[in-house]
Amino acid sequence: QLQLQESGPGLVKPSETLSLTCTVSGGSISSSNYYWGWIRQPPGKGLEWIGSIHYSGNTYYNPSLKSRVTISVDTSKNQFSLKLNSLTAADTAVYYCARQTHYFDNSAYNSWFDPWGQGTLVTVSS
Amino acid sequence: SYELTQPPSVSVSPGQTASITCSGDKLGFKYACWYQQRPGQSPVLVIYQDKRRPSGIPERFSGSNSGNTATLTISGTQALDEADYYCQAWDSSTVVFGGGTKLTVL
Repeated sequence: QLQLQESGPGLVKPSETLSLTCTVSGGSISSSNYYWGWIRQPPGKGLEWIGSIHYSGNTYYNPSLKSRVTISVDTSKNQFSLKLNSLTAADTAVYYCARQTHYFDNSAYNSWFDPWGQGTLVTVSS
Repeated sequence: SYELTQPPSVSVSPGQTASITCSGDKLGFKYACWYQQRPGQSPVLVIYQDKRRPSGIPERFSGSNSGNTATLTISGTQALDEADYYCQAWDSSTVVFGGGTKLTVL
Protein backbone atom coordinates (compact mmCIF):
# COMPACT_ATOMS: atom_id res chain seq x y z
CA GLN A 1 0.00 0.00 0.00
CA LEU A 2 1.32 3.41 -0.93
CA GLN A 3 2.73 5.50 1.90
CA LEU A 4 4.14 9.01 1.99
CA GLN A 5 6.38 10.45 4.69
CA GLU A 6 7.39 14.08 5.11
CA SER A 7 10.77 14.97 6.58
CA GLY A 8 12.53 18.22 7.38
CA PRO A 9 13.20 20.73 10.14
CA GLY A 10 10.49 21.54 12.65
CA LEU A 11 11.80 25.03 13.35
CA VAL A 12 12.98 27.59 10.82
CA LYS A 13 13.97 31.23 11.28
CA PRO A 14 12.15 34.12 9.61
CA SER A 15 13.53 35.12 6.20
CA GLU A 16 15.13 31.69 5.77
CA THR A 17 14.21 28.91 3.35
CA LEU A 18 12.19 25.85 4.31
CA SER A 19 13.19 22.55 2.72
CA LEU A 20 10.96 19.50 3.05
CA THR A 21 11.16 16.10 1.42
CA CYS A 22 8.41 13.55 0.84
CA THR A 23 9.50 9.92 0.51
CA VAL A 24 7.14 7.62 -1.35
CA SER A 25 7.10 3.92 -0.50
CA GLY A 26 5.00 1.03 -1.74
CA GLY A 27 4.81 2.44 -5.27
CA SER A 28 6.73 4.33 -7.90
CA ILE A 29 6.77 8.09 -8.16
CA SER A 30 7.41 7.63 -11.89
CA SER A 31 3.83 6.85 -12.79
CA SER A 32 2.34 8.86 -15.61
CA ASN A 33 -1.07 8.78 -13.95
CA TYR A 34 -0.19 10.84 -10.93
CA TYR A 35 1.05 14.17 -9.72
CA TRP A 36 2.58 14.65 -6.28
CA GLY A 37 1.43 17.56 -4.16
CA TRP A 38 2.20 19.70 -1.15
CA ILE A 39 -0.60 21.08 1.01
CA ARG A 40 -0.33 23.01 4.27
CA GLN A 41 -2.61 23.80 7.18
CA PRO A 42 -1.91 26.64 9.64
CA PRO A 43 -2.86 25.79 13.23
CA GLY A 44 -6.64 25.86 13.62
CA LYS A 45 -7.22 26.81 9.99
CA GLY A 46 -8.12 25.17 6.69
CA LEU A 47 -6.16 23.46 3.94
CA GLU A 48 -4.06 25.44 1.47
CA TRP A 49 -2.62 23.87 -1.67
CA ILE A 50 1.00 24.84 -2.31
CA GLY A 51 1.79 23.07 -5.57
CA SER A 52 2.14 19.78 -7.42
CA ILE A 53 4.67 18.06 -9.64
CA HIS A 54 4.64 15.23 -12.20
CA TYR A 55 7.61 12.88 -12.43
CA SER A 56 8.29 14.41 -15.84
CA GLY A 57 8.95 17.71 -14.05
CA ASN A 58 5.73 19.49 -14.99
CA THR A 59 4.56 21.66 -12.11
CA TYR A 60 1.54 23.62 -10.98
CA TYR A 61 1.82 26.22 -8.22
CA ASN A 62 -0.60 28.20 -6.08
CA PRO A 63 -0.43 31.70 -7.59
CA SER A 64 -0.32 33.26 -4.12
CA LEU A 65 2.87 31.35 -3.27
CA LYS A 66 4.43 30.87 -6.69
CA SER A 67 7.10 33.54 -6.29
CA ARG A 68 8.49 31.77 -3.20
CA VAL A 69 8.00 28.08 -4.02
CA THR A 70 10.02 25.47 -5.86
CA ILE A 71 8.91 21.83 -6.07
CA SER A 72 11.28 19.23 -7.51
CA VAL A 73 11.31 15.46 -7.99
CA ASP A 74 14.07 12.86 -7.63
CA THR A 75 12.89 9.67 -9.30
CA SER A 76 16.05 7.77 -8.33
CA LYS A 77 15.16 8.22 -4.66
CA ASN A 78 11.37 8.07 -5.12
CA GLN A 79 11.13 11.47 -3.47
CA PHE A 80 9.82 14.92 -4.18
CA SER A 81 10.73 18.10 -2.37
CA LEU A 82 9.46 21.53 -1.43
CA LYS A 83 11.44 24.73 -1.00
CA LEU A 84 9.71 27.82 0.36
CA ASN A 85 11.78 30.95 0.80
CA SER A 86 11.44 34.28 2.60
CA LEU A 87 9.60 32.68 5.48
CA THR A 88 7.43 34.61 7.91
CA ALA A 89 5.36 33.56 10.91
CA ALA A 90 2.40 33.18 8.53
CA ASP A 91 4.13 30.14 7.02
CA THR A 92 3.85 28.26 10.31
CA ALA A 93 1.72 25.22 9.50
CA VAL A 94 1.47 21.47 9.25
CA TYR A 95 2.85 20.57 5.83
CA TYR A 96 1.42 17.51 4.08
CA CYS A 97 2.50 15.66 0.98
CA ALA A 98 0.02 13.60 -1.01
CA ARG A 99 -0.43 11.71 -4.24
CA GLN A 100 -2.66 13.57 -6.69
CA THR A 101 -4.73 11.82 -9.31
CA HIS A 102 -5.18 14.36 -12.10
CA TYR A 103 -6.57 13.86 -15.58
CA PHE A 104 -8.87 15.43 -18.15
CA ASP A 105 -12.21 13.69 -18.43
CA ASN A 106 -15.36 14.67 -20.25
CA SER A 107 -14.52 18.37 -20.61
CA ALA A 108 -13.24 18.89 -17.06
CA TYR A 109 -10.18 18.09 -15.00
CA ASN A 110 -10.64 15.42 -12.37
CA SER A 111 -8.21 15.92 -9.51
CA TRP A 112 -7.97 14.57 -5.97
CA PHE A 113 -5.38 13.76 -3.29
CA ASP A 114 -5.08 10.27 -1.87
CA PRO A 115 -3.28 9.11 0.19
CA TRP A 116 -1.76 11.81 2.38
CA GLY A 117 1.34 11.72 4.54
CA GLN A 118 1.07 12.13 8.29
CA GLY A 119 2.14 15.78 8.07
CA THR A 120 4.99 17.66 9.69
CA LEU A 121 4.66 20.79 11.80
CA VAL A 122 6.92 23.62 10.73
CA THR A 123 7.24 26.61 13.03
CA VAL A 124 8.76 29.84 11.79
CA SER A 125 10.28 31.66 14.73
CA SER A 126 13.54 33.26 15.77
CA SER B 1 -9.44 33.48 -8.39
CA TYR B 2 -11.94 30.69 -7.94
CA GLU B 3 -13.55 30.23 -4.54
CA LEU B 4 -15.39 27.38 -2.86
CA THR B 5 -17.68 28.31 0.02
CA GLN B 6 -18.72 25.95 2.81
CA PRO B 7 -20.77 26.59 5.94
CA PRO B 8 -18.44 26.82 8.95
CA SER B 9 -20.46 24.32 10.95
CA VAL B 10 -23.22 21.75 10.65
CA SER B 11 -24.86 19.85 13.49
CA VAL B 12 -26.67 16.54 13.28
CA SER B 13 -28.18 14.04 15.71
CA PRO B 14 -26.85 10.48 15.72
CA GLY B 15 -28.63 8.34 13.14
CA GLN B 16 -29.86 11.33 11.16
CA THR B 17 -28.68 12.61 7.77
CA ALA B 18 -26.09 15.35 7.53
CA SER B 19 -25.66 17.47 4.42
CA ILE B 20 -22.63 19.67 3.84
CA THR B 21 -22.65 22.04 0.89
CA CYS B 22 -19.85 23.50 -1.19
CA SER B 23 -20.66 26.42 -3.48
CA GLY B 24 -18.72 27.80 -6.42
CA ASP B 25 -19.42 29.43 -9.75
CA LYS B 26 -20.56 26.74 -12.22
CA LEU B 27 -19.13 24.09 -9.88
CA GLY B 28 -21.39 21.52 -11.53
CA PHE B 29 -19.23 21.78 -14.64
CA LYS B 30 -16.17 20.78 -12.63
CA TYR B 31 -15.39 17.66 -10.60
CA ALA B 32 -15.60 17.96 -6.82
CA CYS B 33 -14.17 15.78 -4.12
CA TRP B 34 -14.41 15.69 -0.32
CA TYR B 35 -12.02 15.00 2.55
CA GLN B 36 -12.67 14.11 6.16
CA GLN B 37 -10.19 15.30 8.77
CA ARG B 38 -10.50 14.12 12.33
CA PRO B 39 -8.67 16.10 15.04
CA GLY B 40 -4.93 15.58 14.93
CA GLN B 41 -5.11 13.41 11.81
CA SER B 42 -4.35 13.83 8.13
CA PRO B 43 -7.22 14.39 5.69
CA VAL B 44 -8.81 11.28 4.20
CA LEU B 45 -10.54 11.22 0.82
CA VAL B 46 -14.20 10.20 1.22
CA ILE B 47 -15.68 11.21 -2.17
CA TYR B 48 -14.02 11.81 -5.54
CA GLN B 49 -15.36 12.56 -9.02
CA ASP B 50 -18.47 14.13 -7.45
CA LYS B 51 -19.98 10.90 -6.15
CA ARG B 52 -17.53 8.00 -6.13
CA ARG B 53 -16.42 6.41 -2.87
CA PRO B 54 -12.85 5.15 -2.41
CA SER B 55 -12.48 1.63 -1.20
CA GLY B 56 -12.95 1.41 2.53
CA ILE B 57 -15.28 4.41 2.81
CA PRO B 58 -18.68 3.43 4.25
CA GLU B 59 -21.72 3.51 1.98
CA ARG B 60 -23.36 6.11 4.22
CA PHE B 61 -21.11 8.71 2.54
CA SER B 62 -22.46 9.98 -0.78
CA GLY B 63 -21.94 12.99 -3.00
CA SER B 64 -23.64 15.01 -5.69
CA ASN B 65 -22.74 18.04 -7.78
CA SER B 66 -25.04 20.19 -9.89
CA GLY B 67 -25.41 23.85 -10.79
CA ASN B 68 -23.27 25.84 -8.38
CA THR B 69 -23.33 23.39 -5.47
CA ALA B 70 -21.68 20.13 -4.52
CA THR B 71 -23.13 18.28 -1.55
CA LEU B 72 -21.68 15.67 0.77
CA THR B 73 -24.38 13.60 2.45
CA ILE B 74 -23.81 11.34 5.42
CA SER B 75 -26.71 9.01 6.11
CA GLY B 76 -27.18 7.43 9.52
CA THR B 77 -24.51 9.70 10.97
CA GLN B 78 -22.37 8.17 13.68
CA ALA B 79 -20.34 9.76 16.45
CA LEU B 80 -17.14 8.81 14.66
CA ASP B 81 -18.20 10.97 11.69
CA GLU B 82 -17.62 14.08 13.81
CA ALA B 83 -14.80 15.83 11.95
CA ASP B 84 -13.90 18.68 9.64
CA TYR B 85 -14.90 18.21 6.01
CA TYR B 86 -13.30 19.98 3.04
CA CYS B 87 -14.42 20.14 -0.57
CA GLN B 88 -11.89 20.56 -3.37
CA ALA B 89 -11.97 21.21 -7.11
CA TRP B 90 -9.61 22.16 -9.93
CA ASP B 91 -9.86 25.48 -11.71
CA SER B 92 -7.51 27.33 -14.05
CA SER B 93 -4.50 25.14 -13.32
CA THR B 94 -4.93 25.38 -9.57
CA VAL B 95 -6.27 23.22 -6.76
CA VAL B 96 -8.95 25.00 -4.76
CA PHE B 97 -10.10 23.94 -1.29
CA GLY B 98 -13.23 25.08 0.47
CA GLY B 99 -12.81 26.66 3.89
CA GLY B 100 -14.00 23.56 5.70
CA THR B 101 -17.09 22.58 7.68
CA LYS B 102 -17.01 21.30 11.22
CA LEU B 103 -19.57 18.52 11.59
CA THR B 104 -20.83 18.08 15.14
CA VAL B 105 -22.77 14.97 16.06
CA LEU B 106 -24.89 15.95 19.06
